[in-house]
Amino acid sequence: SQQGEEDPQALSIQEGENATMNCSYKTSINNLQWYRQNSGRGLVHLILIRSNEREKHSGRLRVTLDTSKKSSSLLITASRAADTASYFCATDEGGSYIPTFGRGTSLIVHP
Amino acid sequence: NAGVTQTPKFRVLKTGQSMTLLCAQDMNHEYMYWYRQDPGMGLRLIHYSVGEGTTAKGEVPDGYNVSRLKKQNFLLGLESAAPSQTSVYFCASSYSAHQPQHFGDGTRLSIL
Repeated sequence: SQQGEEDPQALSIQEGENATMNCSYKTSINNLQWYRQNSGRGLVHLILIRSNEREKHSGRLRVTLDTSKKSSSLLITASRAADTASYFCATDEGGSYIPTFGRGTSLIVHP
Repeated sequence: NAGVTQTPKFRVLKTGQSMTLLCAQDMNHEYMYWYRQDPGMGLRLIHYSVGEGTTAKGEVPDGYNVSRLKKQNFLLGLESAAPSQTSVYFCASSYSAHQPQHFGDGTRLSIL
């Protein structure tokens, strides 16, 4: 099935650095969502960005959407050890009204 | 506010046994979902429901059945468990298809 694909698969950074992860998709979308999953827990919704939006912010999170490139990026600024988690994008591409999830980016922030 | 609660949290089954996973939400959400998460595979949708009394197949429905007799509950059944169904199962709910999903903390199921 069609789904967003996150890149990179894994990211390791030092506390205080910025972390950027990307999500690419193949067809048109109505919206794109980012989720976070801490080890052993369920996913938690971070941000939803609609196809007519280009950028959204939430605290230290910044999400951009480039529909011409069919890609989105999630930027976490001034990362903390507590940001260590897996991050997933979910898209409703291909006309599906149920979002499908990518395989995620595993982020490790070293204190 | 409990959100989405999954029962049980852990279970070990033998091949061929049956069991039911329970998901309960207290947010009055119409939509409910069952996913499985396997290493390197992300989340794959098993079945979903758009309202009480309705169910629909997702990406990987074979070997599973579901029921939504009450709006707040969504049950996932394994009639004859197979080792390939060893996974972490997540339930989620949302107001509508394009609204954020709220997840439970998962059921870790091992089938020997």
